[in-house]
Amino acid sequence: AQKVTQAQTEISVVEKEDVTLDCVYETRDTTYYLFWYKQPPSGELVFLIRRNSFDEQNEISGRYSWNFQKSTSSFNFTITASQVVDSAVYFCALSEARTGANNLFFGTGTRLTVIP
Amino acid sequence: GAGVSQSPSNKVTEKGKDVELRCDPISGHTALYWYRQRLGQGLEFLIYFQGNSAPDKSGLPSDRFSAERTGESVSTLTIQRTQQEDSAVYLCASSPPLFTDTQYFGPGTRLTVL
Repeated sequence: AQKVTQAQTEISVVEKEDVTLDCVYETRDTTYYLFWYKQPPSGELVFLIRRNSFDEQNEISGRYSWNFQKSTSSFNFTITASQVVDSAVYFCALSEARTGANNLFFGTGTRLTVIP
Repeated sequence: GAGVSQSPSNKVTEKGKDVELRCDPISGHTALYWYRQRLGQGLEFLIYFQGNSAPDKSGLPSDRFSAERTGESVSTLTIQRTQQEDSAVYLCASSPPLFTDTQYFGPGTRLTVL
């Protein structure tokens, strides 16, 4: 069965600190996709990144970076030099190519608060 | 607009009434998804459309929930005889035909059942 675990329910950091949000997933498929979404207070989910199971290269986009490790089934997200605008709930999600349904299995989210 | 839109943004209804929630996907997106997000929780998958057909209805919580999509465009999610436990934000997402695993979300409809 598919499962996404975000063990950190809430994290608070002071502005300019680095913070890492953890995501651990379970799947029996060899082809799958991992995602991170940001949900700011406005409520709209914002797509951040999509990663397929065959690409383990880490990715950096500005202050954001992602560390995908199949050996530990983890897809962690790091924000460098955090800013108040980073305050949001962050969701990790998994989809499997097997069924073709392409629906996303979401973790329960991590609420990040950046304190000025 | 260029994004997914949903209406109404907020809906307050009385227990037992029917409600209809609307989703306008991004133009050209063939796949459309409905999710439910209860307060402080993650997203629960409800239903998925590819074109106008729904190959995956596995997440619909009961027969009070139904959804349809016409013209590979607008979709409506209908909840009949609403219950208080239906109170949640209902999110719609769409994805393009060539990149079917990246879903773009609308702002959601916040449903409150009194």
